[in-house]
This record gives sequence, C-alpha cells and structure tokens, in this order.
Amino acid sequence: DAGITQSPRYKITETGRQVTLMCHQTWSHSYMFWYRQDLGHGLRLIYYSAAADITDKGEVSDGYVVSRSKTENFPLTLESATRSQTSVYFCASAQNTEAFFGQGTRLTVV
Amino acid sequence: AQSVTQLDSQVPVFEEAPVELRCNYSSSVSVYLFWYVQYPNQGLQLLLKYLSGSTLVESINGFEAEFNKSQTSFHLRKPSVHISDTAEYFCAVRLDTGRRALTFGSGTRLQVQP
Repeated sequence: DAGITQSPRYKITETGRQVTLMCHQTWSHSYMFWYRQDLGHGLRLIYYSAAADITDKGEVSDGYVVSRSKTENFPLTLESATRSQTSVYFCASAQNTEAFFGQGTRLTVV
Repeated sequence: AQSVTQLDSQVPVFEEAPVELRCNYSSSVSVYLFWYVQYPNQGLQLLLKYLSGSTLVESINGFEAEFNKSQTSFHLRKPSVHISDTAEYFCAVRLDTGRRALTFGSGTRLQVQP
C-alpha cells in the first residue's frame, strides 16, 4: 500500500540499549522528518532530511542519529536509550507544502 | 526562528455548540500555516492549510480557519461540533521557502460532550 509506514508500532527496551525505529515512504518525497511527541510539548523535531544523504539536526537531536541512504527510508537510532527518550515517535514526509505522518512508534525505555 | 502558541490545552464543549481553538504564531518571515488533527493512537492528519490568497480556509468536515497577519493568528472554528470531533488539534507553521520542517504548538484537546 502507498503511504508512510513506521515499524515497530510498540517497543519496550532497556536503558543503555541501542534501538532503531524504521520509517518507509512510497511517494518518493524529498523531505523526511522525525518528531517526538510528549505531553505538553506537542511535537518536537529530532532530525530532518532534505534528500538522500542530506540530514540536519532538529531541536532535540541529542542521543539520536539518522541515516538516509535511500530516498524512501529514514531510520532513527537511539544509540544508548535513556528513560527520558520514552515517547511517541512520528515519522513524516513532504514534497511541496504539507507533511504526511506515519502512525507512530510508542517507545518505552525501562 | 518561528514559534507557535496554542492558548488552550483543553476545550470542553457540548455537542452542536460552536467552538474556537486559538493559535498564535511568531515569525520574522513569511510562513505557511496548518492545522492537524490527531485521533487516539493515530498519526496526525492534515485538517486545513493556509499558503496564500484568501485568508479564510475551510476543510471538508466543516472546520474553518482565518489567517490574520496583523494579529499573527490562525484560529480554528467550527459552528457546530459533533462527538466525532473529539481529538487533539495541533497548529503548525513552516517557512514558505527553504527548510520544510514544521514547528508545532503544544496542542489543544477538544472534548465534545453529549
């Protein structure tokens, strides 16, 4: 099916472990984003990509890394998970105006 | 850098009553404005957007928003709400050129009561 898909939908991990959240879009949009959603903060930008191999940090990028070797994929890696990274993570893509969002990944770090 | 303020974290309203969700933004350059809606355990869906032209924009399900440049506002309104409108609503802004990333407000929870 066309669209933007995230996996997994739910993930529980332990403090200190590395975890990767996947994002795949079928529209060939140039732009992709990772946001985290926390109560009272709305959505905050973690990383942004304007094209394959072009990425830029957002406002809350510490502790996260991204890669974008192909236009359609934009994985987000938590290098050493901390409890403060417990959140709902949303991937999005855009071409001209609005962004389209995935269903989200609920990550719990214990 | 741009910023967005949603003045109400929760708005309770009775079914069939009118509602207004407030949004103010701050930016030194031209921006695009958006309202997104999030239903429980789902991603965000675009409700409506302002890019240019007419300052009043409408969605297919009865919502409308008016861009007011002098007051830097983009309030969302609906004349008669339904139970199914219960959701979280986010106002967002992005620059009209260059960087495409959205900046979001903290959200308003609309609770429609019977």
